[in-house]
Amino acid sequence: EAQVTQNPRYLITVTGKKLTVTCSQNMNHEYMSWYRQDPGLGLRQIYYSMNVEVTDKGDVPEGYKVSRKEKRNFPLILESPSPNQTSLYFCASSHEPGQGSGELFFGEGSRLTVL
Amino acid sequence: GQNIDQPTEMTATEGAIVQINCTYQTSGFNGLFWYQQHAGEAPTFLSYNVLDGLEEKGRFSSFLSRSKGYSYLLLKELQMKDSASYLCAVIDSNYQLIWGAGTKLIIKP
Repeated sequence: EAQVTQNPRYLITVTGKKLTVTCSQNMNHEYMSWYRQDPGLGLRQIYYSMNVEVTDKGDVPEGYKVSRKEKRNFPLILESPSPNQTSLYFCASSHEPGQGSGELFFGEGSRLTVL
Repeated sequence: GQNIDQPTEMTATEGAIVQINCTYQTSGFNGLFWYQQHAGEAPTFLSYNVLDGLEEKGRFSSFLSRSKGYSYLLLKELQMKDSASYLCAVIDSNYQLIWGAGTKLIIKP
């Protein structure tokens, strides 16, 4: 089954404790992206990757890191989480957004709470 | 700056028709998406428009007018399961997606 898998789905952590949210897709997509979603603000892009070893900042990259060492994986790293990073996070992938339909496939989401 | 406007919330009756509007001001245009998102779940793709006109897909249709910077999503024969948020997103000249904040649609029996 074609899917994007994120882990963990739910996490409560404390300020300053490094964490990683994993994302993996099995569709051989070149494009992957991380979003955060907060009430009233919609989806905001954190980082994206057009291909292996190519990553770029989105609209809200501060406090986050990513890596793309393999095509299928795109982990999101919070080196020193702070309470303002409490949010719902989505990983998404696409064959190539903007070309043709460029439909995004989303993971199920990771709800992160930083105390 | 780039901006996408959608109504925050709409209410409709089961079996009726509802139109959700989206207006955009972006640096260039390379297509517009509509996604559906049920509460606590991931967005799922509904439609894609790049040329002016109406695209029909079952009970859902999406319309685009590039000259007016305007799109709408039309939902017919509303069902309770259509209660969800509907997200409008535009691909700009740099092939980046710009998202609206979404419209929460409430269906009443």
